[in-house]
Amino acid sequence: TQLLEQSPQFLSIQEGENLTVYCNSSSVFSSLQWYRQEPGEGPVLLVTVVTGGEVKKLKRLTFQFGDARKDSSLHITAAQPGDTGLYLCAGVISNFGNEKLTFGTGTRLTIIP
Amino acid sequence: GAVVSQHPSRVICKSGTSVKIECRSLDFQATTMFWYRQFPKQSLMLMATSNEGSKATYEQGVEKDKFLINHASLTLSTLTVTSAHPEDSSFYICSARDLGWYNEQFFGPGTRLTVL
Repeated sequence: TQLLEQSPQFLSIQEGENLTVYCNSSSVFSSLQWYRQEPGEGPVLLVTVVTGGEVKKLKRLTFQFGDARKDSSLHITAAQPGDTGLYLCAGVISNFGNEKLTFGTGTRLTIIP
Repeated sequence: GAVVSQHPSRVICKSGTSVKIECRSLDFQATTMFWYRQFPKQSLMLMATSNEGSKATYEQGVEKDKFLINHASLTLSTLTVTSAHPEDSSFYICSARDLGWYNEQFFGPGTRLTVL
């Protein structure tokens, strides 16, 4: 079983501060995705990173895929209350054309106005 | 993006009854759908992969006779929780894969099951 550990598990910071969430595994993934989930809803895809070392930016969010494709980070600049939610990384495993997602343990982020 | 719906959004049932949850892809065809389970304050755990026209593939530790999956068409998969017990209470989320979107999975809004 491939495990994806996220840290921190919980994070509560003031509006305007910066933060980084980490997603680590001992397994290599073909790609890695980040999702945000609101309470009572399904997760929404934020980004997919494919190449080792890849960096993608989505407004104030910066995503990086580790060189060995085992880990990833999400950095948020100048956090806003709308960033509050559960952030999940998910490793993509390809098996004979079938892809499965293995979700990380999750980081619950609260931005205090 | 593609839209996936789930029905019902919430269900409360008595212990011992069976509950059916539907997952529909509204504007695309999905040969593959996935069923996840999420306990409070935890992450999503893949239960099974549902393939249209064939048997579902269950993850290790998931009882296939307990969680019946049927994928009868390219837009509908159903999950039936048979003889539900309180420990089956959870948030069940489906996703559907649209091959036209680089194998991206689109998630439904989830179904909250409470077994009394």
